[in-house]
Amino acid sequence: GAGVSQTPSNKVTEKGKYVELRCDPISGHTALYWYRQSLGQGPEFLIYFQGTGAADDSGLPNDRFFAVRPEGSVSTLKIQRTERGDSAMYLCASSPHSTSGYNEQFFGPGTRLTVL
Amino acid sequence: GQQVMQIPQYQHVQEGEDFTTYCNSSTTLSNIQWYKQRPGGHPVFLIQLVKSGEVKKQKRLTFQFGEAKKNSSLHITATQTTDVGTYFCAGNGKNAGNNRKLIWGLGTSLAVNP
Repeated sequence: GAGVSQTPSNKVTEKGKYVELRCDPISGHTALYWYRQSLGQGPEFLIYFQGTGAADDSGLPNDRFFAVRPEGSVSTLKIQRTERGDSAMYLCASSPHSTSGYNEQFFGPGTRLTVL
Repeated sequence: GQQVMQIPQYQHVQEGEDFTTYCNSSTTLSNIQWYKQRPGGHPVFLIQLVKSGEVKKQKRLTFQFGEAKKNSSLHITATQTTDVGTYFCAGNGKNAGNNRKLIWGLGTSLAVNP
């Protein structure tokens, strides 16, 4: 079946611009995660949705970052007034949520964001 | 806050040699997951350990979860060039309730000389 998809695969923008990154999770997965990964580093947690609500947004670096998941499926990560330091690979992952156990996360291919 | 450390950061081996990476958490974990990320790729789930002292094997890979559920290891026997990549451990905190946020290690990058 279809995996997690992310669009665009690459995004080049200028400092100060607004960008939106989209994630389509695996159908039926209620949990969705956004990560940021810089070269040579591990995934840095940004935000986690359970259904439509943000269950944990403790990883968002500042108020320029915002994410939504209005219908509990597709999610959009929004970055305002982009800075050069925002340049990274943005990864999305989804997982079937369980209150009785822990499930693996399925990652999308990522969006490479470059802020000039 | 909760932290997960991984050592070594890098490992360079000759094909056929063994490889081990270690994962240590500052707090007790409910579980440990291992992921592999090939160069230019995204993390791919390998395995999950849940029980104290658990050991699981996948062909040449052996995964262990410590008795105190604060550390874990991944051992690869007789490495092959297909093993190249970065190996991450990640776990859920013991007292996280229904929060499924994973705490990630920084990874161990493995290079294999043919």
